[in-house]
Amino acid sequence: QVTLRESGPALVKPTQTLTLTCTFSGFSLSTSGMCVSWIRQPPGKALEWLARIDWDDDKYYSTSLKTRLTISKDTSKNQVVLTMTNMDPVDTATYYCARTRRAGGSGYLLDYWGQGTLVTVSS
Amino acid sequence: DIQMTQSPSSLSASVGDRVTITCRASQGISNYLAWFQQKPGKAPKSLIYAASSLQSGVPSKFSGSGSGTDFTLTISSLQPEDFATYYCQQYNSYPWTFGQGTKVEIK
Repeated sequence: QVTLRESGPALVKPTQTLTLTCTFSGFSLSTSGMCVSWIRQPPGKALEWLARIDWDDDKYYSTSLKTRLTISKDTSKNQVVLTMTNMDPVDTATYYCARTRRAGGSGYLLDYWGQGTLVTVSS
Repeated sequence: DIQMTQSPSSLSASVGDRVTITCRASQGISNYLAWFQQKPGKAPKSLIYAASSLQSGVPSKFSGSGSGTDFTLTISSLQPEDFATYYCQQYNSYPWTFGQGTKVEIK
């Protein structure tokens, strides 16, 4: 059974750095083709893909947020960490992590999602 | 970045109706398109990948079609549990992008 759970602060101040942890079970990031992505959703708005880290440590980032994001993994702990620097109120959103897997010739799929964690940016 | 545009943004339908949602990509994405369903306060759920392949466990009333730039999601007979917001997502190239969502409401 695949599960993912996001954890981190519910409230951060403007200019601070946000650190979120995705703890997962039911798969391993040492398995070829396995990845974890982060996606966020401001209240009442659409989904926005942020970053992805692969089993072989390849990393991919949102174009607009690339300078502020860092994604890393600890395979032994089954965890993926996302840091976002210089937080602003517009970054207030629910942040999700999702398992991402290679599906043969069908590319990489977001198949299992965590429940999400709401992060509010306010002084 | 590839822009994904869904239409309509919202629709009202009755139980038993056939519903179609359209997603258009700003450039060709082959069939690297997924559809998600999201209910209020919940995480998105994967429905379809590769434009027309059903995720395991998803009922066959959901179907997808399209290739290139134009795609559709069809719900053959709307049931109460299908009232939700639906998102398309392209994974042809980075950064991955989502449509703005289509909210399906009860008429």
